[in-house]
Parts: sequence; structure tokens; C-alpha cells
Amino acid sequence: SQQGEEDPQALSIQEGENATMNCSYKTSINNLQWYRQNSGRGLVHLILIRSNEREKHSGRLRVTLDTSKKSSSLLITASRAADTASYFCATAAGNTGKLIFGQGTTLQVKP
Amino acid sequence: DTGVSQDPRHKITKRGQNVTFRCDPISEHNRLYWYRQTLGQGPEFLTYFQNEAQLEKSRLLSDRFSAERPKGSFSTLEIQRTEQGDSAMYLCASSLGGAYTDTQYFGPGTRLTVL
Repeated sequence: SQQGEEDPQALSIQEGENATMNCSYKTSINNLQWYRQNSGRGLVHLILIRSNEREKHSGRLRVTLDTSKKSSSLLITASRAADTASYFCATAAGNTGKLIFGQGTTLQVKP
Repeated sequence: DTGVSQDPRHKITKRGQNVTFRCDPISEHNRLYWYRQTLGQGPEFLTYFQNEAQLEKSRLLSDRFSAERPKGSFSTLEIQRTEQGDSAMYLCASSLGGAYTDTQYFGPGTRLTVL
């Protein structure tokens, strides 16, 4: 079963605008990871934030984590048409490191 | 290319047939995971290997499914007596390990279609 929910399920913006996606989860975690998936392809790892971190940056990506609210957000700044994809958050807990994924947000960036 | 590879990329089979998929992880990674993804959903965990030991299996992994990782290197996932409900993308991932910073790297997936 899925760990949590992502919001919105779909997002359409113009190139150059910022895109924000939110993720909620249910249980205690070791870390939370964001992945991108282009249609019908494998998942590409974007960023990992540990449970004791609150914010992390990587290029045009900014991730926040609020463990008290069990939520995370992914901000993509200055979006490009190439950012069009599905974005998934995934949480890792326990010793195995298995990931529990949300249902994803489909982002469309219009040129 | 030193990433995770999967073979085949696509498989079409008839209901009742057996299929086997292969995953080659990143060479120094001791952890290997299988996930299944259906259309419009996020991936769901199937099973996990630490080296050659299969340490966890999801309830999704019925007795028709079996996975192996001989010698802690590549892994195979076999589905016996396939059903139409098995149609999905099967994803393999590998990682180095470590509870708080363990990044999983995914392969391109094997898309299974059961007719």
C-alpha cells in the first residue's frame, strides 16, 4: 500500500514559473527521497533529505521536510519544458531501506 | 554504462506462461530491491536482498513469484502461471546501504504485458 499522498495529482505551468509539489506520509522515517519519472521510463533520483534535516537544495530543486506534520515539499524553480514528468516522493524506514512511494504528481511545463 | 540494467525491457506473454526478468545492479551495491508499478500509481515494494540473502518479501509477492540473487550479484524475478493482473512495470533498484542516507538507483524497468 502507498505510504501517503501527493498533492496536487497534476500540475500545469508555463516555462519559467515555479512548481511546488507536496507529499504527506504516515509513519516515522529515516529519510525521504524525491524521484522523477518520464513517461514509461525508470525513476531518476533527485534528492534525499534525512529525517533530521529541514531543508535541502540541489540546483533548481529545493526540498523541505517537516517531521512534526509528516510532510515534505519539492520546489522546482524556473521550470523548463524538460521538467515535464511525474514526480514521486518515497519514504524509507526501518533497517531494510525499502521505499514506500506516494502516487505521484504529474507536472506539465508548457513552452 | 555503470547504472542498473534490466533485461528484457519489454515482455509480452500469454496468460499461464512463465516469465523471468533479470536485473544487474551497480557493481559495488550490496542491496537490491524489486518493485512493481501499475499505470498511474507509484512503485510498490516487492522484495529486498542484502547480498545473496532475501530478507523481506511483500504480501504482494504471491507464491507464483520467486526471486533469487545468486552470489550476491545479479538478480532474477520469475513469475509462474502469469495472470492478466501481473501486467505492470517491474523495476529493480540497488543501493550501498546505510539507514539514513541510502539512495536507491533504479533501472529502466521491464514492462510486462500478459494477454
